[in-house]
Amino acid sequence: DVKVTQSSRYLVKRTGEKVFLECVQDMDHENMFWYRQDPGLGLRLIYFSYDVKMKEKGDIPEGYSVSREKKERFSLILESASTNQTSMYLCASRQMPAIDTQYFGPGTRLTVL
Amino acid sequence: SQQGEEDPQALSIQEGENATMNCSYKTSINNLQWYRQNSGRGLVHLILIRSNEREKHSGRLRVTLDTSKKSSSLLITASRAADTASYFCAPSGGSNYKLTFGKGTLLTVNP
Repeated sequence: DVKVTQSSRYLVKRTGEKVFLECVQDMDHENMFWYRQDPGLGLRLIYFSYDVKMKEKGDIPEGYSVSREKKERFSLILESASTNQTSMYLCASRQMPAIDTQYFGPGTRLTVL
Repeated sequence: SQQGEEDPQALSIQEGENATMNCSYKTSINNLQWYRQNSGRGLVHLILIRSNEREKHSGRLRVTLDTSKKSSSLLITASRAADTASYFCAPSGGSNYKLTFGKGTLLTVNP
């Protein structure tokens, strides 16, 4: 079974802090994704990576950056956390575009005070 | 990118009843997937139906696809309290890297 893990289930940070959210998948998947999920807004794609060192902006990339130095790991970085980035963050991976199924991690609930 | 719209937004039923939720989309697709999300957790893939399929089964799940109406339905038979979750559809055009998820249907199964 595919396993996608995220570094924290809950995280509390202060405004202005730099925040790292880590995601690791163990199935050699090419593609990885970061979403945020907010009540009433559903899931929104922040960034995705189609291969190592390759990334593409999603629908809401402002205030975020990403890093993919190794195939199994995809990091989401909040350069200077703000209260409007309080949200549930979900990471997902997919074997390749031709195989559409995405596998999700358990999520990180981030609170920015 | 594609986006599915689930209907209804919320559904409450008794254990043992069937639950039906619907998904509509706007442009042509290669496949459509359904996912489940338990409260506060990640999404879990349930089933994928390709554009040349009309119906697919997996255990207590039955998915239909009508490409002429650009709609899909997910039927859960003999529901259980453990089926309480949000359900999302994700239509995919295939050439696009991205899946776009709607707001989902919140299903509550009362014991």
